[in-house]
Amino acid sequence: DGGITQSPKYLFRKEGQNVTLSCEQNLNHDAMYWYRQDPGQGLRLIYYSQIVNDFQKGDIAEGYSVSREKKESFPLTVTSAQKNPTAFYLCASSEGAGGPLETQYFGPGTRLLVL
Amino acid sequence: AQSVAQPEDQVNVAEGNPLTVKCTYSVSGNPYLFWYVQYPNRGLQFLLKYITGDNLVKGSYGFEAEFNKSQTSFHLKKPSALVSDSALYFCAVRDENSGYALNFGKGTSLLVTP
Repeated sequence: DGGITQSPKYLFRKEGQNVTLSCEQNLNHDAMYWYRQDPGQGLRLIYYSQIVNDFQKGDIAEGYSVSREKKESFPLTVTSAQKNPTAFYLCASSEGAGGPLETQYFGPGTRLLVL
Repeated sequence: AQSVAQPEDQVNVAEGNPLTVKCTYSVSGNPYLFWYVQYPNRGLQFLLKYITGDNLVKGSYGFEAEFNKSQTSFHLKKPSALVSDSALYFCAVRDENSGYALNFGKGTSLLVTP
């Protein structure tokens, strides 16, 4: 899992509640990513950020929001608009600005469960 | 458009035997291919990647993968499986036009029995 930390390991969300997942990296990587993993579906990209103060939507951004105020931090908020948030959430980073040759390195993940 | 397929949901191998986990891809430009491994309730660990050059790529933990352009495949291999290799394996692909987008397969569960 390298220098990428995610917290908490498990998170419980009540109906109508917004929750925030933390992702921090000490690799000095420029690009950071959030993926959602559901059983049997592989990984799907939620948001990514190539540089500080900039981010773009991925394939399944609805119901999620992000910020990138610092290079090392890329928190993900799961809003009440996300109707099926139960999943394993993975944060990743890559050294450059997200070019096609770059390897993405992943954190240990946060499992989000709905009460 | 780019896509990747892992045709087997599960692969079973006896310890000490060679293993192969299959991956095929579809891209519009030159492919960049990656293999990752995931242990239960953990993040993905990078194993190896193909960018260009030699079709046989060597990676971590004794794994290797063979790029075959004509068959659009990038199968993961290991000459002698270990019980500790039991995990979920993901193939992923980008092409030169897709930038950030890393497209993952659905994963193949590898079970190595003693």
